[in-house]
Amino acid sequence: QITLKESGPTVVEPTQTLTLTCTFSNFSLSTYGTRVGWFRRPPGKALEWLALIYWDDDKRYRPSLGNRLSIYADTSKNQVVLTMTNMGPVDTATYFCARSRDYYYGLDVWGQGTTVTVSS
Amino acid sequence: YVLTQPPSVSVAPGQTARVTCGGNDIETKTIHWYQQRPGQAPLLVLYADRGRPSGIPERFSGSNSGNTATLTISRVEAGDEADYYCQVWDTGVDHLVFGGGTRLTV
Repeated sequence: QITLKESGPTVVEPTQTLTLTCTFSNFSLSTYGTRVGWFRRPPGKALEWLALIYWDDDKRYRPSLGNRLSIYADTSKNQVVLTMTNMGPVDTATYFCARSRDYYYGLDVWGQGTTVTVSS
Repeated sequence: YVLTQPPSVSVAPGQTARVTCGGNDIETKTIHWYQQRPGQAPLLVLYADRGRPSGIPERFSGSNSGNTATLTISRVEAGDEADYYCQVWDTGVDHLVFGGGTRLTV
């Protein structure tokens, strides 16, 4: 059974950097076509994509957040890490990671999500 | 690339719900649909316009033509009440795009 699980702080102060970890099991990010992404859903708003890392270590970022985001993988630990700098109240949201084995098959497995509140 | 969904759809139990997703020449895109119940993670309910992942009932079906893709839920049940999102890969820039979501009320 493929699983993903997000972990990280539940509260972050304004201007701080958020670091979230997605720990996955029973698949390899090194397999051709595989990608892992980060997503979030702010309260009362729609789901949105943040960042994506590919099997070949290629990376993509949401254009409006591009210079605040960084994604990397530690394949030895089966983890994908997202950092987001200069956090503000608008970044309060539930953050999810998810896997896709190919663009054709969509995001077929999701983590349960982790809620992050930005507050002093 | 922009995907447009109606904010809400309301349907009686047992009836058919249709959730639309509009986009320029969307028929040339590969569309995926996700269900998100309150407090839960999104769940893939359709991939590649009309494919059903294992465990998704046959009541869920999809179509994609012209500028509109449609998720159709037949014989709607109370448990189908959720937010539904369409999604594409904008292959030109290799970004993911979600629609604004549709709240299905049963």
